Amino acid sequence: NAGVTQTPKFQVLKTGQSMTLQCAQDMNHEYMSWYRQDPGMGLRLIHYSVGAGITDQGEVPNGYNVSRSTTEDFPLRLLSAAPSQTSVYFCASRQPGGTEAFFGQGTRLTVV
Amino acid sequence: ELKVEQNPLFLSMQEGKNYTIYCNYSTTSDRLYWYRQDPGKSLESLFVLLSNGAVKQEGRLMASLDTKARLSTLHITAAVHDLSATYFCAVDKGQGGKLIFGQGTELSVKP
Repeated sequence: NAGVTQTPKFQVLKTGQSMTLQCAQDMNHEYMSWYRQDPGMGLRLIHYSVGAGITDQGEVPNGYNVSRSTTEDFPLRLLSAAPSQTSVYFCASRQPGGTEAFFGQGTRLTVV
Repeated sequence: ELKVEQNPLFLSMQEGKNYTIYCNYSTTSDRLYWYRQDPGKSLESLFVLLSNGAVKQEGRLMASLDTKARLSTLHITAAVHDLSATYFCAVDKGQGGKLIFGQGTELSVKP
């Protein structure tokens, strides 16, 4: 009963490095989204997808890329990490018309 | 632009007391969520409110929704220490499962 799985759980990057945060769900949900959580600011939407092959920007998309080649996976790419991207990242999924939004366990990213 | 504001942002309560957290949002939406987050953990779904006048209760927590006033409340009855956590409301922004979150309310229940 995996739900939404994020990897890695923790990561330290140097400024300028690139990396991909992985998100996978096994509930066949069409909707998937990425959020970042910073102290005192709640969660902010980075990118979202309404289905395989379809993505769009959220509130804070700069510095991040996404793609959705399958229903199950929605990776988030940092092309050139900056200290301002130090945050906790959450992936979520939901079915259209469904009420429950499911969140992964989060990835804590530090950029030094 | 949809904005979601919670208040208070910090709440220190004594055990046994009642209190309410408020969540105001700026444009119409057809669903509102309440989540709980413990330090270092993910978000735990508490309530999903789908219509005007919706009221849901679970244990010492009760949530309500007034879509005309664009206001949701989370009422805590007879608080206990185990309720100490950060509580978020989030509003569905339409197709795509996009959620716009409030800043969160950090609740501390003291004996």
